[in-house]
Amino acid sequence: DQQVKQNSPSLSVQEGRISILNCDYTNSMFDYFLWYKKYPAEGPTFLISISSIKDKNEDGRFTVFLNKSAKHLSLHIVPSQPGDSAVYFCAASASGGGADGLTFGKGTHLIIQP
Amino acid sequence: DSGVTQTPKHLITATGQRVTLRCSPRSGDLSVYWYQQSLDQGLQFLIQYYNGEERAKGNILERFSAQQFPDLHSELNLSSLELGDSALYFCASSFPAAGNTIYFGEGSWLTVV
Repeated sequence: DQQVKQNSPSLSVQEGRISILNCDYTNSMFDYFLWYKKYPAEGPTFLISISSIKDKNEDGRFTVFLNKSAKHLSLHIVPSQPGDSAVYFCAASASGGGADGLTFGKGTHLIIQP
Repeated sequence: DSGVTQTPKHLITATGQRVTLRCSPRSGDLSVYWYQQSLDQGLQFLIQYYNGEERAKGNILERFSAQQFPDLHSELNLSSLELGDSALYFCASSFPAAGNTIYFGEGSWLTVV
């Protein structure tokens, strides 16, 4: 049972436009959400996070939105740059019994086209 | 550089063999996590240790085991290897015990032939 779902395996966006990556979760105990970026043959790199007490968190070109009622979060990248081409993983954790690390989605491969 | 060090970076071994993957967490981090990434799969949580004690188990096979030593480095032991065990194995670390931001190493590529 996949508790964190990224339904788009890939996404192609033109350079300079907005990239929107989506993530859905099913476990209502999740209260902390993260996005990781991964280049081929490298480890995932932490990008941005959001706590369930917020509905938006912004860091430079990256903004994460959380809709708790819909159990949905999204990552917006504006403007998209060629270096943003990578696989993006959504992850979630439950702080109460959160000793089981993070639960990851399967990732979305973002391709920024020139 | 995340500060998490994994060795070896690449490993090729035969079916039935046993290998050990090593991980040094970031300085000060008490928790170590192991994840597996196979082709077309996301990051599968295997196991977590906190300050030397096993904290949580995920989808870890019985042929696999791990431990965390007093100096906080960790080893993942994979035995009776099968072709399907070929994957990228990531170690990650964090300071608090509960799930939070974790920092990944660059991974160990295991190829079983």
